[in-house]
Amino acid sequence: NAGVTQTPKFQVLKTGQSMTLQCAQDMNHNSMYWYRQDPGMGLRLIYYSASEGTTDKGEVPNGYNVSRLNKREFSLRLESAAPSQTSVYFCASSPQTGGVDYGYTFGSGTRLTVV
Amino acid sequence: SQQGEEDPQALSIQEGENATMNCSYKTSINNLQWYRQNSGRGLVHLILIRSNEREKHSGRLRVTLDTSKKSSSLLITASRAADTASYFCATDEFYFGTGTSLTVIP
Repeated sequence: NAGVTQTPKFQVLKTGQSMTLQCAQDMNHNSMYWYRQDPGMGLRLIYYSASEGTTDKGEVPNGYNVSRLNKREFSLRLESAAPSQTSVYFCASSPQTGGVDYGYTFGSGTRLTVV
Repeated sequence: SQQGEEDPQALSIQEGENATMNCSYKTSINNLQWYRQNSGRGLVHLILIRSNEREKHSGRLRVTLDTSKKSSSLLITASRAADTASYFCATDEFYFGTGTSLTVIP
């Protein structure tokens, strides 16, 4: 089925550990995004990639890095995990970035706990 | 932040009733979107309204947009238990609101 695939679905890390969240889309979308969702906070944009080869910071980029590996894949890396990064992470894609008539397609999320 | 804010934060209604939730945002937009999120799942795009539109319908959904007040509303008519979910508004500049949690009681 066409869509956005995230791996892993669940992860527990110890403080200071690193990990990479993977995201892939098969809809030939140009733009991809990483959001985090915390209770009462809605979704907050971490990083986005308007097109292959470009990445830009969102609202809460500190503590994260991203890589747009190719048009399909956009990964999120936590170099040294902190308890404040405990959250649900969502990857999304869209044909283009904002200002056009497209919505986002979301993955099913990665639930990350940092202890 | 251009974050939208939904109101109310939580809403509980009987099956068959209508549900209305509101969204306010802070800056100019080109479009506004509404999403549904079932518990433990990703967000699903419901409807998009452009800044030059005032009202849009899709099945049991009706969205209005008032750019002068920087606000939008989502109306779900004849609600069903399956409509139980959280609903979020989002602007075209990547920002999402905090969501309205809707419970439809059978």
